[in-house]
Amino acid sequence: AQSVTQLDSHVSVSEGTPVLLRCNYSSSYSPSLFWYVQHPNKGLQLLLKYTSAATLVKGINGFEAEFKKSETSFHLTKPSAHMSDAAEYFCVVSEGSGGSYIPTFGRGTSLIVHP
Amino acid sequence: DAGITQSPRYKITETGRQVTLMCHQTWSHSYMFWYRQDLGHGLRLIYYSAAADITDKGEVPDGYVVSRSKTENFPLTLESATRSQTSVYFCASSDSMGYYEQYFGPGTRLTVT
Repeated sequence: AQSVTQLDSHVSVSEGTPVLLRCNYSSSYSPSLFWYVQHPNKGLQLLLKYTSAATLVKGINGFEAEFKKSETSFHLTKPSAHMSDAAEYFCVVSEGSGGSYIPTFGRGTSLIVHP
Repeated sequence: DAGITQSPRYKITETGRQVTLMCHQTWSHSYMFWYRQDLGHGLRLIYYSAAADITDKGEVPDGYVVSRSKTENFPLTLESATRSQTSVYFCASSDSMGYYEQYFGPGTRLTVT
């Protein structure tokens, strides 16, 4: 069965410093992986997705994530945090052919950005 | 307007009452989903639908009922609301199950007193 673990419930950074949000997954099949962002009192919006093409995936607003099969990780990074990046971030896994396609959400990481 | 909408955005109801949350999408996506979001749990899938008249249970279906008579609508009904169903509910739609992105509505904040 698939599962996803977001290793930090909260991450605090200063504006202009790098962001790292960690996500590990478990899947017996070729997974699809997603990162979504949720700003306060809003719905979720897709940041980026991995679906077995390039392992380094670029998303919106300067975010990117690298799929590392050997480490079963899909960490989200951004070189320089902006105040507008403060939000909740969700890592999502969905197994490919042969497994469960039902998306499984991580519990979320709250990104706090200090001026 | 194109997109996915939910109504009402906020709802307060009493224990034991029936409540229906509405979801409407304009993209003609095959798949639609209902999630609840609670602190510390992320999003948990309640029900999903692959097409009109095809629905299936998710992780936390107890106490909820869904229907999908038209592709664009996917209402969620709490038959007899309980305090444990106080939550934020999100509807989503997608062209596929798991491969393509999901598009989320703005959410309905439900309080059961």
